[in-house]
Amino acid sequence: QKEVEQNSGPLSVPEGAIASLNCTYSDRGSQSFFWYRQYSGKSPELIMFIYSNGDKEDGRFTAQLNKASQYVSLLIRDSQPSDSATYLCAVNVPPGSARQLTFGSGTQLTVLP
Amino acid sequence: ETGVTQSPTHLIKTRGQQVTLRCSSQSGHNTVSWYQQALGQGPQFIFQYYREEENGRGNFPPRFSGLQFPNYSSELNVNALELDDSALYLCASSDAGAQNQPQHFGDGTRLSIL
Repeated sequence: QKEVEQNSGPLSVPEGAIASLNCTYSDRGSQSFFWYRQYSGKSPELIMFIYSNGDKEDGRFTAQLNKASQYVSLLIRDSQPSDSATYLCAVNVPPGSARQLTFGSGTQLTVLP
Repeated sequence: ETGVTQSPTHLIKTRGQQVTLRCSSQSGHNTVSWYQQALGQGPQFIFQYYREEENGRGNFPPRFSGLQFPNYSSELNVNALELDDSALYLCASSDAGAQNQPQHFGDGTRLSIL
């Protein structure tokens, strides 16, 4: 079982719709969760991070964390063509070992004009 | 505030050669982490450096090695290059005192092995 799993997509949504990206993780001790956006040929860019159960909103982005079910999601409201990118879910390994990010393989999102 | 910078941007090598990639950490950050991202995959953790010592390593062979300097900048060295080493190499810096601090990546070095 992969440590961090994402639907690879591609996911297509029309402009103005809500895009929902999901991620599950295997280590119950994980404490920190991150969403990165990566445009083709570029490096990953941090867009959201969440540490506590529940929702965290930042502009058009909402991260949702459910530790009991071991999933984290990212909602993008009013999707724009400029949101078309690969979205990477990442999880910090628990304390006691070197801090490192474990990534999923990413979900490719296309927002259609 | 200067972010993470990496050099070179692109590099082409042949099998069996050796390569050195460089990373300058963000101001105030004392920890540097290196990742390898193959095409179509998420980044994979290679290792992390703190106080000039390796402080954690992923599932990479010993021919991947690194250094951290007193100014916290870092190098990634790869010996005996293989075709599968073709990837985007990413560096991220952070403050070891902030355990959950998000990591920000540099622009990366794209390494192509012929």
